Amino acid sequence: DVKVTQSSRYLVKRTGEKVFLECVQDMDHENMFWYRQDPGLGLRLIYFSYDVKMKEKGDIPEGYSVSREKKERFSLILESASTNQTSMYLCASSPPVQGDTEAFFGQGTRLTVV
Amino acid sequence: GENVEQHPSTLSVQEGDSAVIKCTYSDSASNYFPWYKQELGKGPQLIIDIRSNVGEKKDQRIAVTLNKTAKHFSLHITETQPEDSAVYFCAASISGNTPLVFGKGTRLSVIA
Repeated sequence: DVKVTQSSRYLVKRTGEKVFLECVQDMDHENMFWYRQDPGLGLRLIYFSYDVKMKEKGDIPEGYSVSREKKERFSLILESASTNQTSMYLCASSPPVQGDTEAFFGQGTRLTVV
Repeated sequence: GENVEQHPSTLSVQEGDSAVIKCTYSDSASNYFPWYKQELGKGPQLIIDIRSNVGEKKDQRIAVTLNKTAKHFSLHITETQPEDSAVYFCAASISGNTPLVFGKGTRLSVIA
């Protein structure tokens, strides 16, 4: 079974802190994604990566950055956390999309910024 | 870019009844349409998908239909059970390396 593991289920951080959210997948997938989930807004794409060292902005990249130094690991970084970044963060991975393929999600990290 | 609209946002049905969730998309180049189910405390999980060369697909109690001309697709759940209660997301993407674009989700409650 594909497994996407996010390092924390719950996280509480202070305004202004630098926050790292880690995601690891064990299926050798090329593609990895970070989404943010808010009530009434669904899943919104923050950043994605098609390969090691590569990254692309999604729909809401402001205030975030990412790092992909190894194929299995994709990190989301909040440079200076703000209260409006309080949210559920979901990581996903998928094989190369040469046609159309399933995205596998982690269990999510619920981040609260106080 | 692609925009996916999903309705309704909440849906309550009696156990045993059918549930229908509808989505529309904007980009006629989209050709992959998956549906995800998210249970409480978990990440979304694929339950069924359909590609643009197919009009309908069934898997036991769930089915998805696609109307490419009208740019809409629907999820049908028959004989609903309490364990069907969850948030359902539709999505669309263009084949090739484009990420999925999700609808806002439908919270389905099945009342026993």
